[in-house]
Amino acid sequence: GESVGLHLPTLSVQEGDNSIINCAYSNSASDYFIWYKQESGKGPQFIIDIRSNMDKRQGQRVTVLLNKTVKHLSLQIAATQPGDSAVYFCAEKDTGFQKLVFGTGTRLLVSP
Amino acid sequence: EAQVTQNPRYLITVTGKKLTVTCSQNMNHEYMSWYRQDPGLGLRQIYYSMNVEVTDKGDVPEGYKVSRKEKRNFPLILESPSPNQTSLYFCASSVRGQSSYEQYFGPGTRLTVT
Repeated sequence: GESVGLHLPTLSVQEGDNSIINCAYSNSASDYFIWYKQESGKGPQFIIDIRSNMDKRQGQRVTVLLNKTVKHLSLQIAATQPGDSAVYFCAEKDTGFQKLVFGTGTRLLVSP
Repeated sequence: EAQVTQNPRYLITVTGKKLTVTCSQNMNHEYMSWYRQDPGLGLRQIYYSMNVEVTDKGDVPEGYKVSRKEKRNFPLILESPSPNQTSLYFCASSVRGQSSYEQYFGPGTRLTVT
């Protein structure tokens, strides 16, 4: 498969554990945030998004938390499974623009 | 099936030989974009298009061209490829507007320039 990064921060967890992946963003004007999952050999896939007027949003097994005070975003994955092993990217969008700016990613490794 | 397709998936070429990577989406999306992905640098935008005949530079446009003659297609052109353009390339599309900014990505094109 395609190598997406040789020097990514890595989070290693056991199957069944909860995972928390963090992301710091830089633009205080960003009004929309999104998390993507990228498996080896594939393009990024949407996981969950959140607007800046929210602090928390939940999906199926995933929760995104947004702390605008410290410009921090986190993705929580409950009961992590081996199929969750991938690289996870956060992205932010500036007010009034369509463009997404992506972080460098975190590799999640889930051991059985 | 809603999807973004790219061709070719893998390409090895030599310096200076013009090439085109095609991108097509079947979701009637207005917005399309090209990214390159390099180790430690994440996804960086090359060019984007807000609609037919409307294109603009992203963060790393040097050495690339694009065109948007039809809504569904957004080819990436390297007129004279160089080794520093060796990378993994992704095309993406999304609905233009405020309802969603989710971008749908293609499977990627691995380009090696020798």
